[in-house]
Amino acid sequence: GQNIDQPTEMTATEGAIVQINCTYQTSGFNGLFWYQQHAGEAPTFLSYNVLDGLEEKGRFSSFLSRSKGYSYLLLKELQMKDSASYLCAVGSAGNNRKLIWGLGTSLAVNP
Amino acid sequence: EPEVTQTPSHQVTQMGQEVILRCVPISNHLYFYWYRQILGQKVEFLVSFYNNEISEKSEIFDDQFSVERPDGSNFTLKIRSTKLEDSAMYFCASSEWENTEAFFGQGTRLTVV
Repeated sequence: GQNIDQPTEMTATEGAIVQINCTYQTSGFNGLFWYQQHAGEAPTFLSYNVLDGLEEKGRFSSFLSRSKGYSYLLLKELQMKDSASYLCAVGSAGNNRKLIWGLGTSLAVNP
Repeated sequence: EPEVTQTPSHQVTQMGQEVILRCVPISNHLYFYWYRQILGQKVEFLVSFYNNEISEKSEIFDDQFSVERPDGSNFTLKIRSTKLEDSAMYFCASSEWENTEAFFGQGTRLTVV
């Protein structure tokens, strides 16, 4: 079957660094996306990895290892507004947009 | 900044009725999508649309559902004979190309009673 696994909840302190892991098993692979979703709002795009390695974008970085079926999202210099759900989504074989979504990791940033 | 807009923001309908959810994608985008998210559950892909036809659909997207691009700007999702379990947040999204980021609308919360 197809499966995305992420921790359900994480807690971190303002100003710290947090790493959110995602492992996946899908039929084929066509890119991995990270989205941020605040409660009651739409997901917003954070990053996209299709090749192995680290993609850095400001305070957020995302890493992919296709051989291990593994990705992580790294958030630096945490701010209170980073409290949200972080969704890992994998494009399975065929149309990239037939995304398989994880349940999301609910991150709470405390002062 | 261009954005995807969805109407209505909330829709309450009686079981068995038909609903149409409307979306205006970003104007230069070519790929359009519908997703749904049942409260407390994961986002689920429903359908993708390109060049005026469905390019991919999930197992959820059965004969109860249909999509249409009736004019140059709107993209609609029709749900026929609604069931209680259709209650969810429905998100429309669009992207410029197939492998670029998708921009989501704010969603339509559908409640079937």
